[in-house]
Amino acid sequence: DQQVKQNSPSLSVQEGRISILNCDYTNSMFDYFLWYKKYPAEGPTFLISISSIKDKNEDGRFTVFLNKSAKHLSLHIVPSQPGDSAVYFCAASSTNNDMRFGAGTRLTVKP
Amino acid sequence: NAGVTQTPKFQVLKTGQSMTLQCAQDMNHNSMYWYRQDPGMGLRLIYYSASEGTTDKGEVPNGYNVSRLNKREFSLRLESAAPSQTSVYFCASSEAGGWDQPQHFGDGTRLSIL
Repeated sequence: DQQVKQNSPSLSVQEGRISILNCDYTNSMFDYFLWYKKYPAEGPTFLISISSIKDKNEDGRFTVFLNKSAKHLSLHIVPSQPGDSAVYFCAASSTNNDMRFGAGTRLTVKP
Repeated sequence: NAGVTQTPKFQVLKTGQSMTLQCAQDMNHNSMYWYRQDPGMGLRLIYYSASEGTTDKGEVPNGYNVSRLNKREFSLRLESAAPSQTSVYFCASSEAGGWDQPQHFGDGTRLSIL
């Protein structure tokens, strides 16, 4: 069963606008969440993370929001740049569980 | 500044053949991981090694074995390859063993089993 779901396989936005990538999870034991970015023919690279004790974490253009009651998190990229075009994976973990990944969302930022 | 190095990058096997995928990291990380990625699915954990000398099963360990050769190297072995093991395999490492630690990934091994 997929415990971490990214329901949008793809997203296209205009350069300079906001990109919002969504992720839902089913396991209420998850207490740490990460986002990874992946370019073709490369491995994923860590982008940003959030602990369940917080509801927001910001790093430059990237902000992750966590809504524990809805079991939902989102990644906001503002402003979006063409170099942000990649596949974004949401991942979740807990002390007693290993890391579970969503299927990914392909973001295309158009110039 | 290599990070995590995986060899080979590509491999084609016949059903029933054996194969070892190699992974080495130069960041002095304690923990290492093997994942597989299939179309339409996220990465799934096969095995991990929280520290040198220990290995544990992940979500999808069947058909695989691992060896933590030393702190730097973590290999994944397919004893008798099956078409269902056609996938892209990623090795990763992290400084410590907690699941809240960001992982650093290699560029993957694309494995096809005919």
